[in-house]
Amino acid sequence: QSVLTQPPSVSGAPGQWVTISCTGSNFNIGAGYDVHWYQQLPGTAPKLLIYRNTNRPSGVPDRFSGSMSGTSASLAISGLQAEDEADYYCQSYDSSLGGPVVFGGGTKLTVL
Amino acid sequence: QLQLQESGPGLVRPSETLSLTCSVSGGAISRDSFYWGWFRQPPGKGLECIGTIYYTGSTYYDPSLKSRVIISVDTSSNQFSLRLRSVTAADTAVYFCARQYRNYEVRYMDVWGKGTTVTVSS
Repeated sequence: QSVLTQPPSVSGAPGQWVTISCTGSNFNIGAGYDVHWYQQLPGTAPKLLIYRNTNRPSGVPDRFSGSMSGTSASLAISGLQAEDEADYYCQSYDSSLGGPVVFGGGTKLTVL
Repeated sequence: QLQLQESGPGLVRPSETLSLTCSVSGGAISRDSFYWGWFRQPPGKGLECIGTIYYTGSTYYDPSLKSRVIISVDTSSNQFSLRLRSVTAADTAVYFCARQYRNYEVRYMDVWGKGTTVTVSS
């Protein structure tokens, strides 16, 4: 059971727009702590995709964007491409006893 | 360009100790605001934080693993290491090392190693 909740899967056709939600609590996202997103292509290591809610590291296309609202965060991907098919994880800081770095369970994005 | 590379045995017997090393190249491990961490991903599951270390030796361990884990750093070799004792099949996973940016509650992993698969089996 992950501290942050993500849908197990989402899908979209090439060129479409999809969003992935990440729901937390008042110990993490709801407390105002930043959310970060990672992309994990099949068989590879996670890659930082979005940091501090809305910021893209150098080299990440602007098709990827992040947003926050209350106890939730969202990752939006516009203009879906086949190479976007991957697992996506959200991560935040958590002030409860479980540990400061918490992840969502991951969302598998399928490009139809 | 900073690179991290995990190394260590791919097979560990139950009840023994898992030992991995992460070699850092392209940058110094003793840099302010950056911590160094171990993470793992059991087969078909999500990411878990095992623990982190600062170049001064200050550590954090996940509460569920704290009694079995030691993370150490060797600044002269630009490496940090993981030891997980008394392993069971539940410790079978891909193990990643990563650099963590930290500024109070802002913590994210900006560089990752490629990962190494560790299987616990007799």
